[in-house]
Amino acid sequence: AQSVSQHNHHVILSEAASLELGCNYSYGGTVNLFWYVQYPGQHLQLLLKYFSGDPLVKGIKGFEAEFIKSKFSFNLRKPSVQWSDTAEYFCAVRDFGNEKLTFGTGTRLTIIP
Amino acid sequence: DSGVTQTPKHLITATGQRVTLRCSPRSGDLSVYWYQQSLDQGLQFLIQYYNGEERAKGNILERFSAQQFPDLHSELNLSSLELGDSALYFCASSPTGDRSPLHFGNGTRLTVT
Repeated sequence: AQSVSQHNHHVILSEAASLELGCNYSYGGTVNLFWYVQYPGQHLQLLLKYFSGDPLVKGIKGFEAEFIKSKFSFNLRKPSVQWSDTAEYFCAVRDFGNEKLTFGTGTRLTIIP
Repeated sequence: DSGVTQTPKHLITATGQRVTLRCSPRSGDLSVYWYQQSLDQGLQFLIQYYNGEERAKGNILERFSAQQFPDLHSELNLSSLELGDSALYFCASSPTGDRSPLHFGNGTRLTVT
């Protein structure tokens, strides 16, 4: 069964710092990849998604992610974080032909003003 | 607002009791997913329905059951509740197929005392 690893459980950064959150998945077939964000007290919102094509995908709020098939990775990046980026970030993977999304355990991001 | 409506927002009940969580998907979405989010387990997939039929089953306990009605709303029934069932229960919906992101509701926070 597919599994998703997010090795950074809690990341603390100062405003304007660059961000990279790791995501690795286990199954090497064709996959769809997603990053979701959960602001405190809110529901999960889609940040970006990758289905095919250019492995560098851009999402909302200045976030981007790079799919590296050989490393089974889909890391999330942002060049300069803001205090409002404080949230929990979830990577999710869907195997092709399967509708179920498998989530990682999440990374809590705290931005210090 | 994701368009997915979950009720109630909060539920406090005692061990051994039974509760029903309700979800209305986004207009036009045929698939409904239920996820459980707890501090130690992260986001766990419970079950998926598509147009009234069960499509996929995850880590759902036998004490839990769900259904999707002809109007596409879904209910998650939790019975013989235990302290460990305390969690956030999210519903998500998508149109269909494996290329659609999931859109999440705000969740129901269940506290079992």
